[in-house]
Amino acid sequence: GAVVSQHPSRVICKSGTSVKIECRSLDFQATTMFWYRQFPKQSLMLMATSNEGSKATYEQGVEKDKFLINHASLTLSTLTVTSAHPEDSSFYICSARGDPSYEQYFGPGTRLTVT
Amino acid sequence: ILNVEQSPQSLHVQEGDSTNFTCSFPSSNFYALHWYRWETAKSPEALFVMTLNGDEKKKGRISATLNTKEGYSYLYIKGSQPEDSATYLCASKRSGNTPLVFGKGTRLSVIA
Repeated sequence: GAVVSQHPSRVICKSGTSVKIECRSLDFQATTMFWYRQFPKQSLMLMATSNEGSKATYEQGVEKDKFLINHASLTLSTLTVTSAHPEDSSFYICSARGDPSYEQYFGPGTRLTVT
Repeated sequence: ILNVEQSPQSLHVQEGDSTNFTCSFPSSNFYALHWYRWETAKSPEALFVMTLNGDEKKKGRISATLNTKEGYSYLYIKGSQPEDSATYLCASKRSGNTPLVFGKGTRLSVIA
């Protein structure tokens, strides 16, 4: 299957700082990328959907000014957690899709801990 | 909002045993059901995408069935091996351009 990388795999940051997470499709062009968050023992919850070159669509309850998403190219999307707080500590995972009829391929995720 | 439920939450089986678990989803406006296998520290790996009522798919010792009218899918593993230990996620989609909605997963541990 297609390969999606995510960086970093783990990050610890101090409260009030910003953290950027990168998601790359390595062997296909991702017209759509998805960002999910998973709290312990919960399901993957969609945060936002981004299409290359346009603004991301955020799910209800997700603050767009706090979770900045950029999808400037067909192989890269970034999620920036701005002014992080301990309650933002979670597992963030991206997925990428090349066409509406194709499979979604996932990155390995990023464990964010805000101290 | 779609509500996708998986059961059991976790499962321990002996090597060689066969096992199965369930994914239930709202049957209205169904489009597709996805199964993923997720090992710790790795990316979720796509197992099956199922769209038609009565679909049955197989990949080695793993197979899945789909009932869209009653809103459930079963995943079967025949002769479980330690390398089958992982979390199995299902996700449902309502139309071709909507996002997947995931269940919480079933965590399988196969004991040698």
